[in-house]
Amino acid sequence: EVQLVQSGAEVKKPGESLKISCKGSGYRFGSYWIGWVRQMPGKGLEWMGIIYPGDSDTTYSPSFQGQVTISVDKSINTAYLQWSSLKASDTAMYYCARDGGSGSCSFDYWGQGTLVTVSS
Amino acid sequence: EIVLTQSPGTLSLSPGERVTLSCRASQSVSSSFLAWYQQKPGQAPRLLIYGASSRATGIPDRFSGSGSGTDFTLTISRLEPEDFAVYYCQQYGSSPPVYIFGQGTKLEIK
Repeated sequence: EVQLVQSGAEVKKPGESLKISCKGSGYRFGSYWIGWVRQMPGKGLEWMGIIYPGDSDTTYSPSFQGQVTISVDKSINTAYLQWSSLKASDTAMYYCARDGGSGSCSFDYWGQGTLVTVSS
Repeated sequence: EIVLTQSPGTLSLSPGERVTLSCRASQSVSSSFLAWYQQKPGQAPRLLIYGASSRATGIPDRFSGSGSGTDFTLTISRLEPEDFAVYYCQQYGSSPPVYIFGQGTKLEIK
């Protein structure tokens, strides 16, 4: 069974750093792109970026380029999303999701989400 | 950059009714790269349709997708109580890779 399991909720202060994780299982992790999607409170879905675990090839949405870093540790089937200096406006639910491959270019499996709250 | 506009923003219907949701792209997109998702409160999105018309694994056949060019639709033939949720369309563009979501349509019980 394909699963993406994300790390738990975080409460941080503005200016702090943060790294959240997404661990894949039940499939060949290195062969499928993993994307990150933001959902601000009461709002829609925003694609942040995507990484290919096989070679760490990464593409960012222009809206998030320079604001976050996406990385992967293929040895432990885990992708990461990190911030070096959080802002209150980073408060949101963050989802990782697997691109289904075979040209589908859609996200067929999703993590349960990680809620990030940034408040002084 | 392509923009996806979903309409209507909110739809109030009753169980048993048929509904068609619209997703319009600001320029022509490949139907191979158009997907639909369902999101219920407190849950992650779920893939319903990919390639504009192919149902994802485990999706009931009351869900169907169609369209091409700039106009795409998701149809639910007969609403079940569990179908009341927010629906998003999503398009993929290459060079560079980009995934774009529509703003969503909320389907609520009348």
